[in-house]
Order: sequence, then C-alpha cells, then structure tokens
Amino acid sequence: SQKIEQNSEALNIQEGKTATLTCNYTNYSPAYLQWYRQDPGRGPVFLLLIRENEKEKRKERLKVTFDTTLKQSLFHITASQPADSATYLCALDASNDYKLSFGAGTTVTVRA
Amino acid sequence: GAGVSQSPSNKVTEKGKDVELRCDPISGHTALYWYRQSLGQGLEFLIYFQGNSAPDKSGLPSDRFSAERTGGSVSTLTIQRTQQEDSAVYLCASSLQGISTDTQYFGPGTRLTVL
Repeated sequence: SQKIEQNSEALNIQEGKTATLTCNYTNYSPAYLQWYRQDPGRGPVFLLLIRENEKEKRKERLKVTFDTTLKQSLFHITASQPADSATYLCALDASNDYKLSFGAGTTVTVRA
Repeated sequence: GAGVSQSPSNKVTEKGKDVELRCDPISGHTALYWYRQSLGQGLEFLIYFQGNSAPDKSGLPSDRFSAERTGGSVSTLTIQRTQQEDSAVYLCASSLQGISTDTQYFGPGTRLTVL
C-alpha cells in the first residue's frame, strides 16, 4: 500500500541550530513533492515545491532535497528561530494530476 | 477577501444531526478541494471540484457525505446523520487550475465535534 512517513517524534531544537525533517514514501512515483507549514488552528501554508529532476531547492533559510532512489525528501531549517515553531507537512502528487497525498507532519519547537 | 474562508470555524452537534460546512475559495480559482484532518493524522483527501463538477469523489468516507459547488465559487460539504467518528477538522483549499504543480491555498478549517 502507499505510505508517506514523516519523523515520528516531535523535534525540539535550540535557536540558531538547523532542524532536519524527513519524509519517506513507499509505492509512489511522484513527479514532485511539496512542503507546507501548519500553525495551530490554521490551514497549511505552502512553502516549497521540488521536482523529481531537482536534487535541491532553497528558499531563504529553508532547503529541501529530493532523492527518488531513496524515496526520501529532507527539509532543513537553518539558523532556526522561535517563529519557525510549527508543524511541517510533506505532500506528494499521488497521480501526477491534481491530487496531493499528505504525511502526518512533524512538529518543530525552537527554544529561545 | 484575499484568502480562502470557511464557516463556521467551530461546530458542535449531536450524533444523528446533519451539518453543512461552507467554503469560499479565492476568486478566480477553478479547483477546490476538501480534506479532513484528524488529530495526529495527515490530511485525508475527500473530494475535488473543477469548476462546478466533481470528477473525483473517491475520498468521501460514506454516502452520508456529499458536496456541491455552485457558480464555480462557494462549496458546501454536507454530512448527514453525523457520527462521533466524523469529529475532525475539515479543511478546504483552492488552486488556480487544478494541475499537478498548483499551489493549494487552504482555509482555516472547520472544527467539527459530534457528541
């Protein structure tokens, strides 16, 4: 069966450190993968999209990698700040059309 | 408004009652999606609209769930004879075209509690 797995544990890190989140998938062949941020009581907000032929994508302090051989994406938050505290969701296209399948998310807490 | 809005933000109902959840997408977005998010779970796809048509209803959990979209804009998700397992946050999203690389813009969700 198709499965998307993100870090099962919440991530607690010190301000200024790098947070690394993982997204592993099985029985999918996504053409791209997206990362979203979700704050409590809010809907997810799009952060980054990476295509299967891109190894790495950056946006400000965020970096995403996509390894289709390992079937894994890594999401890095560098120089983390307390304002980065949120739940981060990975999503991948389930059928190369409109449908996204989401992971359960990883909750990041950045301590000042 | 500039974003996707949903109403009500919270809904508490008794088991067996019907509920209607509303979504106002971003103006001009042809694609609209409904998801359900239970505690600690990922977003569960429910239904996709392209304009007023729903080419994919595959995620609706049972025939108690239905949705419609009118005027290519507002959508209503209806749950009949609610059950306690229907308790969750229901999220609506819209996107410009409904193609694979679209960004989906989410509303704040409706938290449904079935007593």
